[in-house]
Amino acid sequence: EVQLLESGGGLVQPGGSLRLSCAASGFTFNTYAMFWVRLAPGRGLEWVSSISGVGGSRYYADSVKGRFTVSRDNSKNILYLQMNSLRAGDTATYHCATPHCGGGDCYRPPDKWGQGTLVIVSS
Amino acid sequence: QSALTQPASVSGSPGQSITISCTGTSSDIGSYNLVSWYQHHPGKAPKLIIFEGSRWPSGVSNRFSGSKSGNTASLTISGLQAEDEADYYCCSYAGSSTLVFGGGTKLTVL
Repeated sequence: EVQLLESGGGLVQPGGSLRLSCAASGFTFNTYAMFWVRLAPGRGLEWVSSISGVGGSRYYADSVKGRFTVSRDNSKNILYLQMNSLRAGDTATYHCATPHCGGGDCYRPPDKWGQGTLVIVSS
Repeated sequence: QSALTQPASVSGSPGQSITISCTGTSSDIGSYNLVSWYQHHPGKAPKLIIFEGSRWPSGVSNRFSGSKSGNTASLTISGLQAEDEADYYCCSYAGSSTLVFGGGTKLTVL
């Protein structure tokens, strides 16, 4: 059974940093691209970032480009999201998710999701 | 990277059918047959209920059905049940390894 477990969320001041983790199990992690998607109050779901199975290709929403960095450790089956220069608008629950296809460079809309980790950016 | 457009809310009585629309552009929904729909109960992980526009994942009720015409996708829920009350989101592949989501629709079962 596929399991995705996010962690690392919390309260952070504007301008601060946070690193989220997503521990994956139940599938061959390095053969799947991965996504970060966030759900902000009153704003719906928003795609944040994609990363290829081997980690060599990374993609970002314009709203986070230059501030967030996605990475993965395939030896540990963990996906990361380093978030810097955080703003109030980044307040959201952050979910990791797998695309509904394998192969490492397939980015179809997600199949499995984690329950998410809450990030609150506030002074 | 503009969000797909969904109605903010819909409602229906038990046993009725409702349809939720999801409007995008020729760069996302109109270009790819890769629209998925999700059911989300707050505090839980979103659940995939339709993929590739009209296909069901294993275990999902066929009371949920999807379709697409041009730049608009639609989700129909027939035989509404109280447990269907949730938020529903559409998502489309948008090219260049990116995704775009809808703003979400709150379904109320009266």
